[in-house]
Amino acid sequence: SQQGEEDPQALSIQEGENATMNCSYKTSINNLQWYRQNSGRGLVHLILIRSNEREKHSGRLRVTLDTSKKSSSLLITASRAADTASYFCATDISGGYNKLIFGAGTRLAVHP
Amino acid sequence: DVKVTQSSRYLVKRTGEKVFLECVQDMDHENMFWYRQDPGLGLRLIYFSYDVKMKEKGDIPEGYSVSREKKERFSLILESASTNQTSMYLCASSSLSDRDTGELFFGEGSRLTVL
Repeated sequence: SQQGEEDPQALSIQEGENATMNCSYKTSINNLQWYRQNSGRGLVHLILIRSNEREKHSGRLRVTLDTSKKSSSLLITASRAADTASYFCATDISGGYNKLIFGAGTRLAVHP
Repeated sequence: DVKVTQSSRYLVKRTGEKVFLECVQDMDHENMFWYRQDPGLGLRLIYFSYDVKMKEKGDIPEGYSVSREKKERFSLILESASTNQTSMYLCASSSLSDRDTGELFFGEGSRLTVL
């Protein structure tokens, strides 16, 4: 069964707007990660947030984690057409072996 | 630069054929993984391996087997391909020493069609 579920399934915005994607999960985690996938390609790691962290930043990315609600959000600020991709959250429950459980993803379209 | 290479980007096979999907990483990673990706279902873990000759079942191992004879190579085998195994297959690797980063490095994927 899937651990993470992203919301919304699809998001369409204009360049310059912010994009927010949410992820919910079911069981306790070691960390939560976000990945990006361009159409027909492999996944690329964006950011990791540990279970004892609440917020993390990397460039235009901001990730929050609420372990009491078992949820996370990914914010992309000032989006660009090049941000068009699918975004996946993944949870690590394996105690350090990087065995990740992925959600179904959010498809983001950024229009020029 | 870090690299995970999957041998075939596109394959077309017939029902009942034996299919080999090969994955090679050049980062000396201990962990290797096979996922399949289907629309609306995200990525589902088929098998993973912590070390040479070690393998563990993931969430959907039925109909698949794996082989890890060398550290850099992890093969996924479909003993008798069926149409419901038509999918995108993604290989990934990670290092035990990177437990703090936890990052998985993915190949470009192998899109398998079973007719």
